[in-house]
Amino acid sequence: GAGVSQSPSNKVTEKGKDVELRCDPISGHTALYWYRQRLGQGLEFLIYFQGNSAPDKSGLPSDRFSAERTGESVSTLTIQRTQQEDSAVYLCASSFTGVADTQYFGPGTRLTVL
Amino acid sequence: GQQLNQSPQSMFIQEGEDVSMNCTSSSIFNTWLWYKQEPGEGPVLLIALYKAGELTSNGRLTAQFGITRKDSFLNISASIPSDVGIYFCAGQPMYSGGGADGLTFGKGTHLIIQP
Repeated sequence: GAGVSQSPSNKVTEKGKDVELRCDPISGHTALYWYRQRLGQGLEFLIYFQGNSAPDKSGLPSDRFSAERTGESVSTLTIQRTQQEDSAVYLCASSFTGVADTQYFGPGTRLTVL
Repeated sequence: GQQLNQSPQSMFIQEGEDVSMNCTSSSIFNTWLWYKQEPGEGPVLLIALYKAGELTSNGRLTAQFGITRKDSFLNISASIPSDVGIYFCAGQPMYSGGGADGLTFGKGTHLIIQP
């Protein structure tokens, strides 16, 4: 594909439910990132995948958050037992190599927890 | 994590005016990046800066990597309606250990243009 794609574009869920967000990076990009963007705020790093290395999970805010990536392709971000404070836009980005390379962002998934 | 102070938080300007925004940090940065985000979209990279003192232009946009390595500014000349959006600075601190958490974003400058 031409760019990073994410699905769904919008997700409304009830407090306590689990949600799964999907990211399709640009083909050939080895690095993939998840960020959270709260309303009116900047981007908050969540997790980083680089090739087959163990992911950098240092930004995950709690053990309710997890992410997986299959090889160098699709990634899913899972939030278990969602809370209202999880409401935000979740952005995915990919880059050709690692953190020193330009990141290209997807359009994001807007999550609303009622 | 690292903190970036981005200002102003918002700007209301007339079409045709020049715009200036900046980011500062208490830490030394290796890289400064400027992104623009439009509603419903992810951030799009505008300019990347890699050396202290570097001044780079992209059309009507000009950005500089501060000589102290602790700041950067973005200027937009002769603003037009499509410049509306949120502009984010981002940087890679020199002593981040190389981890992905080292890429830090400012809180954004919301640019609103009145015709």
